[in-house]
Amino acid sequence: DVKVTQSSRYLVKRTGEKVFLECVQDMDHENMFWYRQDPGLGLRLIYFSYDVKMKEKGDIPEGYSVSREKKERFSLILESASTNQTSMYLCASSAGTSAYNEQFFGPGTRLTVL
Amino acid sequence: AQKVTQAQTEISVVEKEDVTLDCVYETRDTTYYLFWYKQPPSGELVFLIRRNSFDEQNEISGRYSWNFQKSTSSFNFTITASQVVDSAVYFCALSVFKAAGNKLTFGGGTRVLVKP
Repeated sequence: DVKVTQSSRYLVKRTGEKVFLECVQDMDHENMFWYRQDPGLGLRLIYFSYDVKMKEKGDIPEGYSVSREKKERFSLILESASTNQTSMYLCASSAGTSAYNEQFFGPGTRLTVL
Repeated sequence: AQKVTQAQTEISVVEKEDVTLDCVYETRDTTYYLFWYKQPPSGELVFLIRRNSFDEQNEISGRYSWNFQKSTSSFNFTITASQVVDSAVYFCALSVFKAAGNKLTFGGGTRVLVKP
């Protein structure tokens, strides 16, 4: 079974702090994704990566950056956290380039910025 | 650009009732895939079903069934004889082929509450 793990389930940070959210997958998937989930808005794509060191902006990249130095690990970085970044963050991975392939999700990190 | 709309924000039923979740999508691509995911209270989204744009045959899998109609751009999902364990948020999603990566566009989700 594919396993996607995220470093924390709950995180509380202060405004202006630099925040790192880590995601690791164990199935050698090419693609990795970061979403944020807010009530009524569903999941919105922040960034995704289709290969090591490759990244593309999603729908809401402002205020975020990402890093993928190894195939299994994809990090989301909040350079200077703000209260409007309080949200649930979900990481996902998928294989190959086909639109057919489903994404596998981690359990999520609920981030609160005070 | 792609768009997925789930008009129902919350549905409440009593156990053993059927539940139908609506999903309407927009895309200009002719090749695409539609998905349903379930997010139980634990938070992890779980893949349920998928359908490609060339196959409008409706299917049943256990207590799940789906109705895909290209003419109305709808991909509805039904849970038959609901159970308390079906309580979750359900997301409809759309994927189109891109040169790199297979991005999903999600709807806003429908929360299903099944009461005993």
